[in-house]
Amino acid sequence: EVQLVESGGGLVQPGGSLRLSCSASGFTFSSYAMHWVRQAPGKGLEYVSAISSNGGSTYYADSVKGRFTISRDNSKNTLYLQMSSLRAEDTAVYYCVKDQGVLWGQGTLVTVSS
Amino acid sequence: EIVMTQSPATLSVSPGERATLSCRASQSVSSNLAWYQQKPGQAPRLLIYGASTRATGIPARFSGSGSGTEFTLTISSLQSEDFAVYYCQQYNNWLGWTFGQGTKVEIK
Repeated sequence: EVQLVESGGGLVQPGGSLRLSCSASGFTFSSYAMHWVRQAPGKGLEYVSAISSNGGSTYYADSVKGRFTISRDNSKNTLYLQMSSLRAEDTAVYYCVKDQGVLWGQGTLVTVSS
Repeated sequence: EIVMTQSPATLSVSPGERATLSCRASQSVSSNLAWYQQKPGQAPRLLIYGASTRATGIPARFSGSGSGTEFTLTISSLQSEDFAVYYCQQYNNWLGWTFGQGTKVEIK
């Protein structure tokens, strides 16, 4: 089955860190750029980060630059998002997305609160 | 950064009627424009890419048009399952997508 499954979300204190994972199956993961998109409760979609198929190019939204790191392990068909110095405004459902937006995961909720 | 602006914020439509949603880009994105549908508690679903190509499995009542900076999503005859929030998204550069703020289509 073609799918993306995120994990790693949860409750974290302001200033803390968290690593999200996205496990891909049913397609040739190493052939596609991958993206992270987030959605704060009751809000719209916000683009977070992207990585090229071989991991050689990355992009970050200004709101997360210097705090988040995207990476991938093509041997494990897994995408990662390392988040540090977390803030209340990072609270959101985080989705991993296959390039061209055809496939989205179900999302994982990150809550930053004391 | 390319800013995407959707209008209206909310659209009240009766079942069976036509719905027209607009999306404007702050600079040309050529035809690198997608539309998504999102229902509560669900991930977005791709409806249209390339401004006018329906994604796999999307009913023909959904159509997209436009290029450059002005785009439109039309739902020809609203069904009950079409009441949702719709987002446009530009991918003119594969790095740095941007989304519109969304249009909620609600039952009139």
